[in-house]
Amino acid sequence: GNSVTQMEGPVTLSEEAFLTINCTYTATGYPSLFWYVQYPGEGLQLLLKATKADDKGSNKGFEATYRKETTSFHLEKGSVQVSDSAVYFCALNDYKLSFGAGTTVTVRA
Amino acid sequence: DSGVTQTPKHLITATGQRVTLRCSPRSGDLSVYWYQQSLDQGLQFLIQYYNGEERAKGNILERFSAQQFPDLHSELNLSSLELGDSALYFCASSVGTEDYEQYFGPGTRLTVT
Repeated sequence: GNSVTQMEGPVTLSEEAFLTINCTYTATGYPSLFWYVQYPGEGLQLLLKATKADDKGSNKGFEATYRKETTSFHLEKGSVQVSDSAVYFCALNDYKLSFGAGTTVTVRA
Repeated sequence: DSGVTQTPKHLITATGQRVTLRCSPRSGDLSVYWYQQSLDQGLQFLIQYYNGEERAKGNILERFSAQQFPDLHSELNLSSLELGDSALYFCASSVGTEDYEQYFGPGTRLTVT
């Protein structure tokens, strides 16, 4: 079945550092891909999405490109802030969302 | 605020009991999804309803059931509760049935003692 694998955390960074969270997927066909973010004590918020190969999703300084050849959808941000501390989930949509395990990111001032 | 509401926010109950979780989707959304988030299993899809009809089932236990009412709100019923059912239960909604963005509610934290 379809599945998502994302890098293990936790990840701890200093403010203004570069963030990358790796995500790869296994799927039949070409499902839409998403990154969701969960701030402490809150529900999941859609961060960005891409619906087809080579699409780049972007939001709040975060970017991810749908790479069919490497079956990847890595999340990047060039300069993180303390407020980016959260758990990040990669997901694919094949009528339901299949999530990766989540990566906890902590940004220190 | 996603526009999806869930009640209650917290629920504490004993083993063997039955509880009902409620979800109201965003205005205009016809699909409702239920997910369970636990430390050992991560985020798992339970079940989907579309316009009142069950559309898809995931890893939902037989002790669990759900329904979607004519006003499109949904309820997830959990019975014969076990300690391992303690988790965060999220509801999400979307406009359609496939390949649409899903918007999540704040979740209900269930603690079974």
